[in-house]
Amino acid sequence: KAGVTQTPRYLIKTRGQQVTLSCSPISGHRSVSWYQQTPGQGLQFLFEYFSETQRNKGNFPGRFSGRQFSNSRSEMNVSTLELGDSALYLCASSPSGEYSHEQFFGPGTRLTVL
Amino acid sequence: GQQLNQSPQSMFIQEGEDVSMNCTSSSIFNTWLWYKQDPGEGPVLLIALYKAGELTSNGRLTAQFGITRKDSFLNISASIPSDVGIYFCAGTPANAGGTSYGKLTFGQGTILTVHP
Repeated sequence: KAGVTQTPRYLIKTRGQQVTLSCSPISGHRSVSWYQQTPGQGLQFLFEYFSETQRNKGNFPGRFSGRQFSNSRSEMNVSTLELGDSALYLCASSPSGEYSHEQFFGPGTRLTVL
Repeated sequence: GQQLNQSPQSMFIQEGEDVSMNCTSSSIFNTWLWYKQDPGEGPVLLIALYKAGELTSNGRLTAQFGITRKDSFLNISASIPSDVGIYFCAGTPANAGGTSYGKLTFGQGTILTVHP
């Protein structure tokens, strides 16, 4: 099976702009989670989607949003970018059932905000 | 929120040595996972643990789910240069209910350097 893919791999934006990141999960996985990774804060949970519904959300401002499509692909959007949003954004997919806690990560999107 | 304390923060070892790292929590966890992350890449799942006391191996890697359910250990035997990277523990707290959907709590990571 192909792994989790994320596009684009790298992005450079300026403050105030918005950005959309895309994630394609492993075939058959219906749960997609998003994380922000920074050297100072480590891996921080953003939100999780399952069957097009957001089931869980972390402690991030409303500028961070996401959605999931019927084919389980997911996007996250960050509006009004701030310098502090520079980070590696990771998405992970997981199977249903007893192994649902096993998350498989994509390579990430490196976002730089200037 | 939940926090995982991972130690050591970094390790410098010689090729061929064994490595041990651990992760502790102040509360009980239902699941423990260990990941490895290479620079510029996403974390790769190494081992998943589901039961207290469980001992699981993946090649030269062995991990254990602590009996108290508040800790987990990862051992790497006979290290090689490609073991270099950051190792993360992660888990799902018990009794988290809906707040655990799709959310893993991560440790701060252990940076492993292997000298040839």
